[in-house]
Amino acid sequence: DAKTTQPTSMDCAEGRAANLPCNHSTISGNEYVYWYRQIHSQGPQYIIHGLKNNETNEMASLIITEDRKSSTLILPHATLRDTAVYYCIVRVAGGGGSEKLVFGKGMKLTVNP
Amino acid sequence: DTEVTQTPKHLVMGMTNKKSLKCEQHMGHRAMYWYKQKAKKPPELMFVYSYEKLSINESVPSRFSPECPNSSLLNLHLHALQPEDSALYLCASSTRGGGTNTEAFFGQGTRLTVV
Repeated sequence: DAKTTQPTSMDCAEGRAANLPCNHSTISGNEYVYWYRQIHSQGPQYIIHGLKNNETNEMASLIITEDRKSSTLILPHATLRDTAVYYCIVRVAGGGGSEKLVFGKGMKLTVNP
Repeated sequence: DTEVTQTPKHLVMGMTNKKSLKCEQHMGHRAMYWYKQKAKKPPELMFVYSYEKLSINESVPSRFSPECPNSSLLNLHLHALQPEDSALYLCASSTRGGGTNTEAFFGQGTRLTVV
């Protein structure tokens, strides 16, 4: 199973772009990179996912390197509400045809006023 | 409707009690998950149901018993729990289309305290 590595924490000023890195050097060709976040005491929230092309939605952009060994989640204009733990996950296939979603330690993003 | 609803939001139970956690979704998702999350730790996968059948059990103790009565409901039956089982229990669901490109939706969790 591909594993991910993220910094433990990061600070960002409100209104600035937040660039959250993730390493997944053992990712295989058919595995997607997913990003979730979890605001304190709430359930995780899906942000974005991608395979090899860059992706953008209303919440964020995902930049995946050409060799797919790392990616960056970009929050273009961080707000205080973006303070959360961010999880970079590589989706793996589990037994019985189901698909596991396994969380690593994640990275705490703190957006400061 | 992109909601996963979990009840109750909070639960306090004694070590000899039997209780159940409930999870419901109406998105037509055919994969449903239970996670356990201790304070300041990431969610840990417990069980996965696929088309109402248990497909993954991550070596969870038998005092936790999952049940999927239909495609919209997922239960977690609790019996003879220990104080260290106190945690946030999260339910999630996702589609079961082919490939690995399906996002999961999470409920807000049940905060369980075992006394």
